[in-house]
Amino acid sequence: KAGVTQTPRYLIKTRGQQVTLSCSPISGHRSVSWYQQTPGQGLQFLFEYFSETQRNKGNFPGRFSGRQFSNSRSEMNVSTLELGDSALYLCASRRDWGSTEAFFGQGTRLTVV
Amino acid sequence: DAKTTQPTSMDCAEGRAANLPCNHSTISGNEYVYWYRQIHSQGPQYIIHGLKNNETNEMASLIITEDRKSSTLILPHATLRDTAVYYCILSNAGGTSYGKLTFGQGTILTVHP
Repeated sequence: KAGVTQTPRYLIKTRGQQVTLSCSPISGHRSVSWYQQTPGQGLQFLFEYFSETQRNKGNFPGRFSGRQFSNSRSEMNVSTLELGDSALYLCASRRDWGSTEAFFGQGTRLTVV
Repeated sequence: DAKTTQPTSMDCAEGRAANLPCNHSTISGNEYVYWYRQIHSQGPQYIIHGLKNNETNEMASLIITEDRKSSTLILPHATLRDTAVYYCILSNAGGTSYGKLTFGQGTILTVHP
């Protein structure tokens, strides 16, 4: 079966712009989490959605937001981009809220110039 | 703050067993030990998890000490494709932060021919 799909794979944006990243979880999975990975901070949890509701949130400013649709697909948005937002953004899906195994996508590489 | 401690790097010869240690001296009773790995430029991949009993699957074995303060991930016959960063993570089942994975710096495992 198809894995977690993230689009686009690569993105270049200018400071001050906003960006929307998309994640399609594995078919049948209802939980989607987002992570940011940078060389300095490593992998950091952004937020998690389940049944269209945000269930968990990491320590990121309000410029980072997300949502989940009824088909479990998720988007995350970053407004007023800063150079420090350059990172690999990873999406992970789990079958249910209580599922133990998370499946990660390949990520979206965002570069802010 | 990371609740696990792992060596920064380890080397292993191809075909030999790779034993990756993890210290988690402040683990609580309902926290599971999870292992993920991240091969360069890919999203993290789930390997195995356990609560207090030793676990084995097709990828690896997980040995958890009786006091649960440390664990060891064992790759029985390491191959070059096992070169990756290995993360040891604690996550509590059923808790409000259940879906959140807190990644530390992990162990860079390099498998040599």
